[in-house]
Amino acid sequence: GQQLNQSPQSMFIQEGEDVSMNCTSSSIFNTWLWYKQDPGEGPVLLIALYKAGELTSNGRLTAQFGITRKDSFLNISASIPSDVGIYFCAGLWSNFGNEKLTFGTGTRLTIIP
Amino acid sequence: DAGITQSPRYKITETGRQVTLMCHQTWSHSYMFWYRQDLGHGLRLIYYSAAADITDKGEVPDGYVVSRSKTENFPLTLESATRSQTSVYFCASSGPSGRGYEQYFGPGTRLTVT
Repeated sequence: GQQLNQSPQSMFIQEGEDVSMNCTSSSIFNTWLWYKQDPGEGPVLLIALYKAGELTSNGRLTAQFGITRKDSFLNISASIPSDVGIYFCAGLWSNFGNEKLTFGTGTRLTIIP
Repeated sequence: DAGITQSPRYKITETGRQVTLMCHQTWSHSYMFWYRQDLGHGLRLIYYSAAADITDKGEVPDGYVVSRSKTENFPLTLESATRSQTSVYFCASSGPSGRGYEQYFGPGTRLTVT
């Protein structure tokens, strides 16, 4: 099935560093969602974006809806140990009830002590 | 404030047995979804439902059956479990947030078929 291209696949950083990851698609979306998944848990919604160009923050997290509507970006500032996990982007093209998400392949974030 | 729950959280079953995974949400969301998550495949949609008594196939529906007689419940049944159905299963629900639709996930059920 269709998946979004998410990069990087994995990141190894030191505590306190900033993190950037992105998601690209060949299709346009009218909603972008960013999730974080901890081991053994379900994905948790971090940020939702609904408008091209929109920039939204949630604490140290900032996400942007690309102008072309084919990409989105997530930044984490001053990383802390609890940021470790897998981050997924997801795009939604809502079409009169077709509320199916298309997921990215995930970015695994590891913090090096 | 229970949100979305799944049961059981862990299940071990034998090949050929019927297994039902339960999903319950308290938000009255109209949309509900079942995904499976496997290494190398990410999250794949099995079935989804737009409302009670309305269901539709996702990307990988073979070997699964769903029903939705009540808005809050969306059980997933494996009619005759196979080893290839060993996976982590996530239920999700989606409802309007005021600006659009947002999808929320349950904690998952880890199923092992021996």
